[in-house]
Amino acid sequence: DAGVIQSPRHEVTEMGQEVTLRCKPISGHNSLFWYRQTMMRGLELLIYFNNNVPIDDSGMPEDRFSAKMPNASFSTLKIQPSEPRDSAVYFCASSGGGGALNTGELFFGEGSRLTVL
Amino acid sequence: AQSVTQLDSQVPVFEEAPVELRCNYSSSVSVYLFWYVQYPNQGLQLLLKYLSGSTLVKGINGFEAEFNKSQTSFHLRKPSVHISDTAEYFCAVSDNFNKFYFGSGTKLNVKP
Repeated sequence: DAGVIQSPRHEVTEMGQEVTLRCKPISGHNSLFWYRQTMMRGLELLIYFNNNVPIDDSGMPEDRFSAKMPNASFSTLKIQPSEPRDSAVYFCASSGGGGALNTGELFFGEGSRLTVL
Repeated sequence: AQSVTQLDSQVPVFEEAPVELRCNYSSSVSVYLFWYVQYPNQGLQLLLKYLSGSTLVKGINGFEAEFNKSQTSFHLRKPSVHISDTAEYFCAVSDNFNKFYFGSGTKLNVKP
């Protein structure tokens, strides 16, 4: 089975540019999470969706960040405009499914490493 | 809100020695507990989890953890580590499978 798929794996951009990160969750999972990992702050939850609906976006750092989930198999995290302090590894994770399908664990993608110059 | 404390940011250990990585959590409700491992340039993958039942949980790669409700701890152990266990380990807690709270991570460095 395919796991959580993220793209791009690496992105280098200049300050002020728009960045779009993409995620395809595991088929059948109904929850999707975006995390950011940095040396200074560790693993931070940015936003999570349940059944394609954003449930909690309190971790989104500021208005420059936005996330969408137009359908059950695709989500995007957009940063516009990007700043050097946004440099981090961004992880997408999925979980859940109805009833017994929900084993309670998160399945992570391999991450998108963003460098903003 | 929940919080998770991993007391050691780095743990150096020699190959074939035992290791314990400590994790404490704060919660007033029943929780589900997890340990994840992250190898360099990879995502996190599940090592083991406690949902209910026996407080001693066995996971992959020979790891085990014990849930101690009175001490609100979920320490990870392995009786004999290998070089390949070098990685960062994260403890996580959730009360409803919707929000997961992660600790700051412990880097395990296994030396030959």
